[in-house]
Amino acid sequence: ILNVEQSPQSLHVQEGDSTNFTCSFPSSNFYALHWYRWETAKSPEALFVMTLNGDEKKKGRISATLNTKEGYSYLYIKGSQPEDSATYLCAGGNSGGSNYKLTFGKGTLLTVNP
Amino acid sequence: DAGITQSPRYKITETGRQVTLMCHQTWSHSYMFWYRQDLGHGLRLIYYSAAADITDKGEVPDGYVVSRSKTENFPLTLESATRSQTSVYFCASSWTISTDTQYFGPGTRLTVL
Repeated sequence: ILNVEQSPQSLHVQEGDSTNFTCSFPSSNFYALHWYRWETAKSPEALFVMTLNGDEKKKGRISATLNTKEGYSYLYIKGSQPEDSATYLCAGGNSGGSNYKLTFGKGTLLTVNP
Repeated sequence: DAGITQSPRYKITETGRQVTLMCHQTWSHSYMFWYRQDLGHGLRLIYYSAAADITDKGEVPDGYVVSRSKTENFPLTLESATRSQTSVYFCASSWTISTDTQYFGPGTRLTVL
């Protein structure tokens, strides 16, 4: 089982603040890294899938970077809005043996105060 | 409508009963997954399937059985429900096992009394 860790566990910011959080994963045999946004009482929705070292992806005010050599990904939210409040999940997959399955981190709960 | 659906959305059962949770997707995705969500654990993979009649264990398979006779359906059965199986269960589907987005169903909240 891949060890995928997210930090911080939770985060409170004010509307308009920019914020970022981290996903750490083993760098050996890296295969893919996913970010999902999960609102309360809904199901996770995909933000990004990244596979290459140095990948940067952007969707509106949200962007992500990937460093496979050191085993981390950052998710950035610029100018946070209350509707950004959600749990942000990352999931990693490596290619050790036949184990290409994704392992999810426990998430970062973001609360944006108006 | 296209998408991924789960039924029932809510289920209360008693210890020892058999329960089946249904998952249906309309995209013809090859891969389907069952996860459980528990406080402090996040999403944990129970079973997954690469195609019809091909299934494999995930992180927490004990007490669960799956089948996939048709590409679009992936039912999860609790053969003899236990209180520790009280959880929210999410089904997901994807074209590949890890390099494509997984699309999640709305979840089934299961309570075992």
